[in-house]
Amino acid sequence: SQTIHQWPATLVQPVGSPLSLECTVEGTSNPNLYWYRQAAGRGLQLLFYSVGIGQISSEVPQNLSASRPQDRQFILSSKKLLLSDSGFYLCAWDTGTGGGSNQPQHFGDGTRLSIL
Amino acid sequence: KQEVTQIPAALSVPEGENLVLNCSFTDSAIYNLQWFRQDPGKGLTSLLLIQSSQREQTSGRLNASLDKSSGRSTLYIAASQPGDSATYLCAAQIPHTGANSKLTFGKGITLSVRP
Repeated sequence: SQTIHQWPATLVQPVGSPLSLECTVEGTSNPNLYWYRQAAGRGLQLLFYSVGIGQISSEVPQNLSASRPQDRQFILSSKKLLLSDSGFYLCAWDTGTGGGSNQPQHFGDGTRLSIL
Repeated sequence: KQEVTQIPAALSVPEGENLVLNCSFTDSAIYNLQWFRQDPGKGLTSLLLIQSSQREQTSGRLNASLDKSSGRSTLYIAASQPGDSATYLCAAQIPHTGANSKLTFGKGITLSVRP
């Protein structure tokens, strides 16, 4: 069966410090991978998506970046965190190409990031 | 631009009640409509996915319907239990250049089922 792992579960970082959040998927090949942020009082916002190794697309301009060094590994990074980067970060995967899918997205347990 | 709305933001019901959670979307050009459950501090768990060609999907006490022409979906929960307390999010999967498709989420409805 497929599983998705995110770590760490909780992170407290000072403003201006770097960030690295990791997400790995097991039990599937060539998944589409996604990073979302869920800020207080707001809905889930898609930050990045990747359809293959080294292929990253950004949805919104921001202080963050993403990388996909391996097929089932997705990393979210920042060189200098801002207060506005606080939130709940979720990684997700799905399969399907060519537009549309009958398979849902599967989410990790998330990382709660607090910036001080 | 697709917008997904869920109203009300919160709902409290007594145990045993049947209830309906509403979701509306502005653009009917969707691939599917997905319902998720989120427990506090946790990720999302997929509940039901309705393809654009379908009208409803059922899983246990849950039934989700889809009316593309009116831009609405509902999640029906039968005989609610305290364990159903969580935030329920709907998301429309829409065409997207590059990623093939993307999910646009509502802000969710926080459900509390009182014993």
